[in-house]
Amino acid sequence: DAGVIQSPRHEVTEMGQEVTLRCKPISGHDYLFWYRQTMMRGLELLIYFNNNVPIDDSGMPEDRFSAKMPNASFSTLKIQPSEPRDSAVYFCASRGGHHGYTFGSGTRLTVV
Amino acid sequence: GENVEQHPSTLSVQEGDSAVIKCTYSDSASNYFPWYKQELGKRPQLIIDIRSNVGEKKDQRIAVTLNKTAKHFSLHITETQPEDSAVYFCAASPSGGYNKLIFGAGTRLAVHP
Repeated sequence: DAGVIQSPRHEVTEMGQEVTLRCKPISGHDYLFWYRQTMMRGLELLIYFNNNVPIDDSGMPEDRFSAKMPNASFSTLKIQPSEPRDSAVYFCASRGGHHGYTFGSGTRLTVV
Repeated sequence: GENVEQHPSTLSVQEGDSAVIKCTYSDSASNYFPWYKQELGKRPQLIIDIRSNVGEKKDQRIAVTLNKTAKHFSLHITETQPEDSAVYFCAASPSGGYNKLIFGAGTRLAVHP
């Protein structure tokens, strides 16, 4: 199993541009989570899905952020328009059954 | 909502010593408490977890204890080694589910040879 796969690993973009982060969960896992990690705020849960349905998006900072999960093997997190304060490492994680999360390698986003 | 507090924020020990990291949580319905280790530039990785029907769990040099009455849980690392140096995060799964995890702020552990 290749684990949770995220792309891109690094993204540098200019303020105002649209950014799309991608995630492929582990096959068979029915939960998918998007977290953001910064030095100031630690690991923040943004949104999570169960069987492709968004369950809790209370952590999404504002309307500029949106997430989709069109099928069991793919999810996107989109920021439009991006701002410098969005700079962070974005992690996707998946879980199946009563097991712990498996995190992806993360996407380091820098907005200049 | 659930709030997880973690202490200390940094911990420095000599190789071979023990290290203890403590966390408290606010939601009495929380029932799942994992610990993650994150090395510099890497992803968080699960190292041990405990469920609310168990008071203690051990895996080689690491152990976790849970006190549901006091709403706190701790990670114990014995015979520390330099490769244990990392940031450790505790987490709790609130409201009786095994779904979302709320993480503590992390403890940066440095093990000096």
